[in-house]
Amino acid sequence: ETGVTQTPRHLVMGMTNKKSLKCEQHLGHNAMYWYKQSAKKPLELMFVYNFKEQTENNSVPSRFSPECPNSSHLFLHLHTLQPEDSALYLCASSQLTGNSPLHFGNGTRLTVT
Amino acid sequence: AQSVTQLDSQVPVFEEAPVELRCNYSSSVSVYLFWYVQYPNQGLQLLLKYLSGSTLVKGINGFEAEFNKSQTSFHLRKPSVHISDTAEYFCAVSEIGGQTGANNLFFGTGTRLTVIP
Repeated sequence: ETGVTQTPRHLVMGMTNKKSLKCEQHLGHNAMYWYKQSAKKPLELMFVYNFKEQTENNSVPSRFSPECPNSSHLFLHLHTLQPEDSALYLCASSQLTGNSPLHFGNGTRLTVT
Repeated sequence: AQSVTQLDSQVPVFEEAPVELRCNYSSSVSVYLFWYVQYPNQGLQLLLKYLSGSTLVKGINGFEAEFNKSQTSFHLRKPSVHISDTAEYFCAVSEIGGQTGANNLFFGTGTRLTVIP
């Protein structure tokens, strides 16, 4: 149990589908993040939420749409994805202090067909 | 600008042998340093961190790392590896006094450690 739970663990979707990834943290943290992990690339920070407010969108295509209804839950809504969007999507949370480490979920393995 | 370099993308090592995974960084200011481990089909897990004080940091599972400011390195070591140490290891850096949270955390590309029986 990592304290950060992601569902589903695996997702296969066609390019015309709409799906959502869910993340929940039970650690009392006030910041949550979405990362994309692709083979042979550094982790890519996609979205940052501090106290439910989005503070960062690192040039992510609009086919990815985040939602943070409260400080414990984070969603990533997906629509009209491309095959190159296939990757492991990781959710993380932390306290908003300079030396606070990130706590990661186990990720959702997304395959776009 | 910050950058983190993990020169070795793959490191095979025999069981019970020592291992060192290298991490170098560049930054114009002081930094916090982290090592994360990712086991197959899991997310990243904090292995150890250097914030201040002693440059030798001990983490979970028998790993340790040494901060060398003059060489801007933070190499990870274990004197005797086990099969269960097979995983991907990520070095990460954040600037002291910079933004808080993930905005200020830069990861290397990872080193895949494979322990051979």
